[in-house]
Amino acid sequence: QSALTQPASVSGSPGQSITISCTGTSSDIGGYNYVCWYQQPPGKAPKLMIYDVNNRPSGVSNRFSGSKSGNTASLAISGLQAEDEGDYYCSSFRSYGSSNTWVFGGGTRLTVL
Amino acid sequence: EVQLVESGGGLVQPGGSLRLSCAASGFTFSNYWMSWVRQTPGKGLEWVASINQDGSEQNYVDSVKGRFTISRDNAERSVYLQMNSLRVEDTAIYYCARDMRSPHWGQGTRLTVSS
Repeated sequence: QSALTQPASVSGSPGQSITISCTGTSSDIGGYNYVCWYQQPPGKAPKLMIYDVNNRPSGVSNRFSGSKSGNTASLAISGLQAEDEGDYYCSSFRSYGSSNTWVFGGGTRLTVL
Repeated sequence: EVQLVESGGGLVQPGGSLRLSCAASGFTFSNYWMSWVRQTPGKGLEWVASINQDGSEQNYVDSVKGRFTISRDNAERSVYLQMNSLRVEDTAIYYCARDMRSPHWGQGTRLTVSS
């Protein structure tokens, strides 16, 4: 069981918008603005899409946006394209006792219909 | 350009040891926390360990505490993961990552623990 909860799959048609949720606790998502989203194409390393909840690295399309409300973070993708297909993961900093740790969601498979 | 190149993966028997290495280039290595993250076959990602800029602080996921040790050599621009008492469930692709807040990832090195 993953530390953060994501839906196993989402789907949408080209041009549509979708949202992927990532639910944690007050010890991680709810307590810190250190949420990342990654896209992972098959057989490749994860690619950072969003950091610090809602910031895009240079080169990432503005069709990708992040947000957070309480203990849940969300990744929104607008204007779906076939190239957006793949697995998406969230991560968050978590304060655990006296340790600084990081936790991931179980991943969401995005299918563009 | 930021580059992280992992090496050292392979096939190890349960109970064995292995050391992974990650060579960094393209950025001021000594300014960043460095981490190891793993991905089990067909499954998700798991943070394994992180080390601060001068190596004085290390953090580990509970499942590897006492078995894995993360270290770094700023002069060599490298970070390491010494893995002892390996278990079948440690089988994974191990990624080196710079700064988990906005990480840049390597391409990973594969570890298989099997008899």
